[in-house]
Amino acid sequence: DVKVTQSSRYLVKRTGEKVFLECVQDMDHENMFWYRQDPGLGLRLIYFSYDVKMKEKGDIPEGYSVSREKKERFSLILESASTNQTSMYLCASSPRMPGQKETQYFGPGTRLLVL
Amino acid sequence: AQKVTQAQTEISVVEKEDVTLDCVYETRDTTYYLFWYKQPPSGELVFLIRRNSFDEQNEISGRYSWNFQKSTSSFNFTITASQVVDSAVYFCALSEAENTGFQKLVFGTGTRLLVSP
Repeated sequence: DVKVTQSSRYLVKRTGEKVFLECVQDMDHENMFWYRQDPGLGLRLIYFSYDVKMKEKGDIPEGYSVSREKKERFSLILESASTNQTSMYLCASSPRMPGQKETQYFGPGTRLLVL
Repeated sequence: AQKVTQAQTEISVVEKEDVTLDCVYETRDTTYYLFWYKQPPSGELVFLIRRNSFDEQNEISGRYSWNFQKSTSSFNFTITASQVVDSAVYFCALSEAENTGFQKLVFGTGTRLLVSP
C-alpha cells in the first residue's frame, strides 16, 4: 500500500524561526514534491526533486529551501518563518515513468501556523 | 500556460442526490493526463482517477463516473446517490511536462462538496 508520511500534523512556530518539515515515502519513488495549499488558490508547487540530491524550483520557491539526502526523505526548510507562510503543506511522491503519466501520492499534510 | 478551472467553489446537496463537479482545462500539449483527487477533512489528498488525453471513453467506478470531452476541454466528475462520506474538497489536475521532461501537476482551486443527511 502506498504510504507517504509527514513528521507533524500541526505545527506552531514564531516569526524568524527556522522550520523543518519532513516527508518520508516507503514506495521507492524517484520523484518527491512539496506543495502549499491556501483557500481559493488550490495547491501550488514549492519545490520538487527527481533524484537524491537533485532539486528543482516550483512555482513559489521564495522563502523555502529543500533537502534530499536519501531517496525516501524530502525535507522542506523555512529559513526564517514569516506569517505569510502560515499554510497547509502537502508532500507527494511519484514513480518515474515515461511521458507524463506518473500519479502523485500525497501525505496527510502539515498545518503550519506562524505567529 | 496550462490552467485548470473549477468554477464551483462549493456545492451542497442532500444525501442520495446526484452531483456533478465541473473541470475545464487549457493546454497546448497533445498528450497530457488529467486527474481527480479527493481531500476529506483529514487533509490527505486521495487519488481517484487518471485519464490519458487519447482515451475519451467515460469511466465508471461504483457511484463515481467521469466524462472526458476534448471538444470542450472538460473532465467532469459525477457522484451518483451521494452519501455523507462523500463530503470533501475535490481537486482536478492536469499534468504538464517541464522543460526537463519531468511531470508537474497543475491543480484547480477545488470544489467543496457538502452532503447533508
